[in-house]
Amino acid sequence: DAKTTQPPSMDCAEGRAANLPCNHSTISGNEYVYWYRQIHSQGPQYIIHGLKNNETNEMASLIITEDRKSSTLILPHATLRDTAVYYCIVSLSLFGGYQKVTFGTGTKLQVIP
Amino acid sequence: KAGVTQTPRYLIKTRGQQVTLSCSPISGHRSVSWYQQTPGQGLQFLFEYFSETQRNKGNFPGRFSGRQFSNSRSEMNVSTLELGDSALYLCASSSRQGAEDYGYTFGSGTRLTVV
Repeated sequence: DAKTTQPPSMDCAEGRAANLPCNHSTISGNEYVYWYRQIHSQGPQYIIHGLKNNETNEMASLIITEDRKSSTLILPHATLRDTAVYYCIVSLSLFGGYQKVTFGTGTKLQVIP
Repeated sequence: KAGVTQTPRYLIKTRGQQVTLSCSPISGHRSVSWYQQTPGQGLQFLFEYFSETQRNKGNFPGRFSGRQFSNSRSEMNVSTLELGDSALYLCASSSRQGAEDYGYTFGSGTRLTVV
């Protein structure tokens, strides 16, 4: 499995953009970058995923560097409800094989009023 | 559509007992994965089932087992419970159908406490 490295914690002011980095220097060419978040005592929630191109949906934007060795999840206007642990995962697409999907320890994002 | 349903939500068991947890995936999803989450170890992969067959297994002792039924519902069993098995057990389902594959959808988990 490709490994990811994330900062253990970050703070962000409410209303500002939250930029969460992730390093995945050993990612292989056919592995995707997935982001999930987990609000206390709930199951993780899918946010976004991408392969090479930047992606945007109603929740967030995903910026992947050209060499694909790192990525950044952007929450454009953080709210208190975005306080959660954010996990960056690299994996074959779930359609691409039965690779174990490994979650690291994630980044605990605290949105401050 | 209905999400992933895990039952029971909370469970208290005594050391040495066994426990069975249940997971009903999203309708049409054929893959079910199980994770254990503890404060110290984070989310740890247990196993994945697809079409009633175990496709992948994490590094857990043989006391942890699972199965999947023809309707894709899955159960996991832990025998001879130990205090260290106290955790949140999460189930995730996926369609594994390519174009609409947006990763996992998790249930709310079963909180197991071993005393």
